[in-house]
Amino acid sequence: DVKVTQSSRYLVKRTGEKVFLECVQDMDHENMFWYRQDPGLGLRLIYFSYDVKMKEKGDIPEGYSVSREKKERFSLILESASTNQTSMYLCASSPWASGRDEQYFGPGTRLTVT
Amino acid sequence: GQSLEQPSEVTAVEGAIVQINCTYQTSGFYGLSWYQQHDGGAPTFLSYNALDGLEETGRFSSFLSRSDSYGYLLLQELQMKDSASYFCAGGGSSASKIIFGSGTRLSIRP
Repeated sequence: DVKVTQSSRYLVKRTGEKVFLECVQDMDHENMFWYRQDPGLGLRLIYFSYDVKMKEKGDIPEGYSVSREKKERFSLILESASTNQTSMYLCASSPWASGRDEQYFGPGTRLTVT
Repeated sequence: GQSLEQPSEVTAVEGAIVQINCTYQTSGFYGLSWYQQHDGGAPTFLSYNALDGLEETGRFSSFLSRSDSYGYLLLQELQMKDSASYFCAGGGSSASKIIFGSGTRLSIRP
């Protein structure tokens, strides 16, 4: 089974702190994603990576950056956390060309910024 | 802009059939996916339609009509464990172009 793990299920940070969210997948997938999920808004893509050190901005990249130094690991960084970044953060991975658009999601990190 | 529209809530009775619709406006549309998410859980992939027509996987079926920019997820023989949110996702000229609908919360009554 594909496994996508995220470093924390729950996280509480203060405004202005630098926050690191880590994601690891064990299926050698090329693609990795970071989404945030808010009630009534579905999943919105923050950043996408299709290879080591390669990244693309998603729909809402402002206030975030990412790092992918190894194929299995994709990190989301909040440079200076703000209260409007309180949300559920979901990491996902998928193979390069599955033909099915199937993404495998981690359990999520619920981040609260106070 | 690109969007996928689906109802926010649907209620059904255990043992019945329910259909969750998804209409889309996306450029470079390649296919429609469906995901299930239980409260507190991660989204899990249910199905994918690249071609028009019906795809069946057990109690779940998914349908796509490109000419109508429309698809649906059909759940049969509903069980209480099917209570969850269901998301359609589409677009996809590249993986980064896939967008998700806002989700339909399915509540099942005994």
